[in-house]
Amino acid sequence: SAVISQKPSRDICQRGTSLTIQCQVDSQVTMMFWYRQQPGQSLTLIATANQGSEATYESGFVIDKFPISRPNLTFSTLTVSNMSPEDSSIYLCSVAGAALKTQYFGPGTRLLVL
Amino acid sequence: SQQGEEDPQALSIQEGENATMNCSYKTSINNLQWYRQNSGRGLVHLILIRSNEREKHSGRLRVTLDTSKKSSSLLITASRAADTASYFCATVPISYNTDKLIFGTGTRLQVFP
Repeated sequence: SAVISQKPSRDICQRGTSLTIQCQVDSQVTMMFWYRQQPGQSLTLIATANQGSEATYESGFVIDKFPISRPNLTFSTLTVSNMSPEDSSIYLCSVAGAALKTQYFGPGTRLLVL
Repeated sequence: SQQGEEDPQALSIQEGENATMNCSYKTSINNLQWYRQNSGRGLVHLILIRSNEREKHSGRLRVTLDTSKKSSSLLITASRAADTASYFCATVPISYNTDKLIFGTGTRLQVFP
């Protein structure tokens, strides 16, 4: 299994500002992912965080808006840039890999943009 | 969108009753998984069923998979108030060469004591 922590757990931000969310896992993992869950909705994959290279973004998500870092096999950050109220969501990171039987999710970061 | 559909969107039952949730998906898959989410928190993995399996059990959970119909169902037997949560199916499409998941729309389950 894997234990994942996210910081911050929640935040209230002003439009136009940026927020960086951290994801830490207690063991080295191959794959790390970032998801967005808008209010009352399901989860949508933003990107795959690749260690040592640029993240792979899904359709509708771009690096300028959601820059991602992954400096090592246990840590990743997601930045939500130039925020607007439409960015109010829960952002979740998850991990997967051959050593893990399934995908594990962090507790999420609840973001409210005013 | 490749997102799967779940029905019902919401389900309210009494403790002790069974709850059945259905999931339909759009592409051929490697496996299908069910997750639970309590009050907008992180997701908890419940069960994984591979594309060559038809049924799987785990405690009070029973999952079926029909790849010909691209559908799955999750049955929770003898429900408890603590089962109140949102339930999501998620698939790993064959066309993907990674573990990234495509989530269904979810079912909100309310179990009344």
